[in-house]
Amino acid sequence: DAGVIQSPRHEVTEMGQEVTLRCKLISGHNSLFWYRQTMMRGLELLIYFNNNVPIDDSGMPEDRFSAKMPNASFSTLKIQPSEPRDSAVYFCASSLRPGSAGGLNEQFFGPGTRLTVL
Amino acid sequence: QQQVKQSPQSLIVQKGGISIINCAYENTAFDYFPWYQQFPGKGPALLIAIRPDVSEKKEGRFTISFNKSAKQFSLHIMDSQPGDSATYFCAASTLPYSTLTFGKGTMLLVSP
Repeated sequence: DAGVIQSPRHEVTEMGQEVTLRCKLISGHNSLFWYRQTMMRGLELLIYFNNNVPIDDSGMPEDRFSAKMPNASFSTLKIQPSEPRDSAVYFCASSLRPGSAGGLNEQFFGPGTRLTVL
Repeated sequence: QQQVKQSPQSLIVQKGGISIINCAYENTAFDYFPWYQQFPGKGPALLIAIRPDVSEKKEGRFTISFNKSAKQFSLHIMDSQPGDSATYFCAASTLPYSTLTFGKGTMLLVSP
């Protein structure tokens, strides 16, 4: 079984450029999370979707960040324009909602995208 | 406001020793407490989890101890091995479903 797939794995861009990170959920999962990881702040939840609908986007730092789920298995996180302080590792994770088929909140993380904004 | 406080930030343990990582939470509504393990270059992965109706859960060399009155829980790694060297995150949430609130992580190094 393929796990959560993220692309690209590494991204180096210049300040002001648009960055798009991609995530493919595990088949059958219906919840999707985007996280940002830095040494200073640890793992921060940016946004959470359930059944393609954004449920909680309170962690999105500012309007430069946007996330979408165009279908049940795919999501994008876009940063426009990017800034050096956006440099971090971005993870997406997927899970089954317990009410749908059991399970207890286990989130399956992708390998992450390491973003460097120069 | 950080709702899950994790300590220590880093830990060095000799092979065969016991690694202990502690977490404290503030929200009394939390009722699910997982630990995630992250190796360099990888995403975190669920290691072990506990509900507050038990005080301890053991899976192999990994044990969670839970103290509801103190609002604390800890991960014990017995007979620590170099392969256990990783970053460990505690987390908490409320069931039936909510997002996970993560601690800031503990970088564990087990020396050979």
